[in-house]
Amino acid sequence: KAGVTQTPRYLIKTRGQQVTLSCSPISGHRSVSWYQQTPGQGLQFLFEYFSETQRNKGNFPGRFSGRQFSNSRSEMNVSTLELGDSALYLCASSLGLAEYNEQFFGPGTRLTVL
Amino acid sequence: ELKVEQNPLFLSMQEGKNYTIYCNYSTTSDRLYWYRQDPGKSLESLFVLLSNGAVKQEGRLMASLDTKARLSTLHITAAVHDLSATYFCAVGRNRDDKIIFGKGTRLHILP
Repeated sequence: KAGVTQTPRYLIKTRGQQVTLSCSPISGHRSVSWYQQTPGQGLQFLFEYFSETQRNKGNFPGRFSGRQFSNSRSEMNVSTLELGDSALYLCASSLGLAEYNEQFFGPGTRLTVL
Repeated sequence: ELKVEQNPLFLSMQEGKNYTIYCNYSTTSDRLYWYRQDPGKSLESLFVLLSNGAVKQEGRLMASLDTKARLSTLHITAAVHDLSATYFCAVGRNRDDKIIFGKGTRLHILP
């Protein structure tokens, strides 16, 4: 069974640009969550999508947005990039059911903003 | 607001020694996770603890949960160099997949 995949794995952008990251969940998983990891702030929850709807959102500015497609693949977009957006962006997928279900993390996308 | 605190944040220890990482969380949670992260890598799930008194063990690692004290521990027995990594605890609730992470404990095991 294929794991969670993220593309691209590495990305270099300049301030003011925008970027789109992609996450393909494990087959059959309907929930995709996104996290930002930085040395200073650690791992922070961005948002979660379930069946194409945003189900939960963290405390990030509106420059950070996402969406989920009917095949459960998800994209995350960051507009007007700032230096502080440099981070490892991780996505995780799960079945998304009401009771506990295990989340599986992808390898991450390393974004560098110059 | 759900907050997670880990201590210590850095730990350097000798091979063969035992040590414990502590994880406190601020409000009621349905599940407690422990993850391992190697440098430049993603998160590897180690344990998920779902109920008070739960204890899970895998090799030299053992995790426990006390929901009344809102405390989880990750105990390392007879540490070996391969266990060097950053360990995160995290908490979540059943109503969604949002996970709140602690800052992580960077563990360095000296040969």
